[in-house]
This record gives sequence, structure tokens and C-alpha cells, in this order.
Amino acid sequence: DAGVIQSPRHEVTEMGQEVTLRCKPISGHDYLFWYRQTMMRGLELLIYFNNNVPIDDSGMPEDRFSAKMPNASFSTLKIQPSEPRDSAVYFCASAYATGGGNSPLHFGNGTRLTVT
Amino acid sequence: GIQVEQSPPDLILQEGANSTLRCNFSDSVNNLQWFHQNPWGQLINLFYIPSGTKQNGRLSATTVATERYSLLYISSSQTTDSGVYFCAVGVTDKLIFGTGTRLQVFP
Repeated sequence: DAGVIQSPRHEVTEMGQEVTLRCKPISGHDYLFWYRQTMMRGLELLIYFNNNVPIDDSGMPEDRFSAKMPNASFSTLKIQPSEPRDSAVYFCASAYATGGGNSPLHFGNGTRLTVT
Repeated sequence: GIQVEQSPPDLILQEGANSTLRCNFSDSVNNLQWFHQNPWGQLINLFYIPSGTKQNGRLSATTVATERYSLLYISSSQTTDSGVYFCAVGVTDKLIFGTGTRLQVFP
């Protein structure tokens, strides 16, 4: 398996623009997680899905952020409008359905977002 | 919510040295994992270890769930071990990450 695939690897955009990050989980994994990493706040869980259904979005910073998982092999994280403070590395991760957190978590390579 | 503390925050070693990284957590968990973030930013799963001891080459990990801590041992360190080591703990379906231990190994 190719692992968790994220795109794009880098994204540079101007404040106010819409940004869409994409993720393809490992085939057969039923849990998908979106994390954000910054120097100040470390790795933060934004939202996670089980069988394509959002389970916990309490980590989503505000209404400008939204995430979808239309099918088992694809998820998006959208920021609209983007702000400079959204600059971070965004990671997608997936795991088997044995309680979600109770199985090894596998990360994609991340998307480095810069908002100017 | 659950608190995860890692120590030491920074560690500098010479190649060949051994080290122990610690992860303390504030509440009972049913899942604990160790990750290595390499200098290129990739997060690699090292161990899924909610309890007991596991070994993988020069790395081993021990979790004592009743005492709420886990240890990661690195023996005969190599420059490729450099990076940040994260402990992550799970209560429900989600993992909460500690702040990490930054390891630098010099030749």
C-alpha cells in the first residue's frame, strides 16, 4: 500500500482565499484524522471520521474550517477564508476500525500551508 | 482533558550512546503510541503499546499503565535517530499528543 496520501505538499495563498487540502487514507482503514502542527501549539487534533461520518469536530478552530469525507477513500479539509494564523503543517492520518485509537495510527507526509 | 508530559524536552547525544525518553499521562488510557518525526517532517509510528514491553531493533518501549507512564529506550544511537519523539495517548477513539522530546545525535 502507498500509505496515506496528502496533496498538495505545499500551498501558498493570500489571506482571504479558499484553501482545500486533500487526503486519501490507507485502503481498509475506517478511521481518518486531521491534525494541525504549529510550533506554538504542537500537534492538535482538528476532526476525525469513522466510516466516513464525522465523530468529533471539537478541535476545529472556527467556522472558517470545514471537513468532509464523501467516501472511504477521500477526505478534504477546507479553510474559507484563510488567514495568516492558519499557516501550519496539516496532517491526515488513518487507522483500522478496532476502536479507532486502539490501532496504530499512520500519517501522511503533510501539507505545509502558508497564508500571506 | 487528559494531560501528556514528555521529558526531557531536548536531548543531545553522541553517536553510540543510549537514552531513555519518558511520557507521563494524567489519566487512565486504553491506547499509547510512540512516533518519530524525522528532520523532513514525516511522522513514523514506532510502537503501539498500551501496556507491556516491545522491542524493534535498537528501540524498545515499556508502558506501565497502572502508574501512568511509558518509556522509550534508544540504544547505540545513530545520527538517523535525530528528530522529535512524540508520545500520544488515547482515551476514546482519538490520540492526544505530548509536546515531544527533540533528540540530536552527533557523529
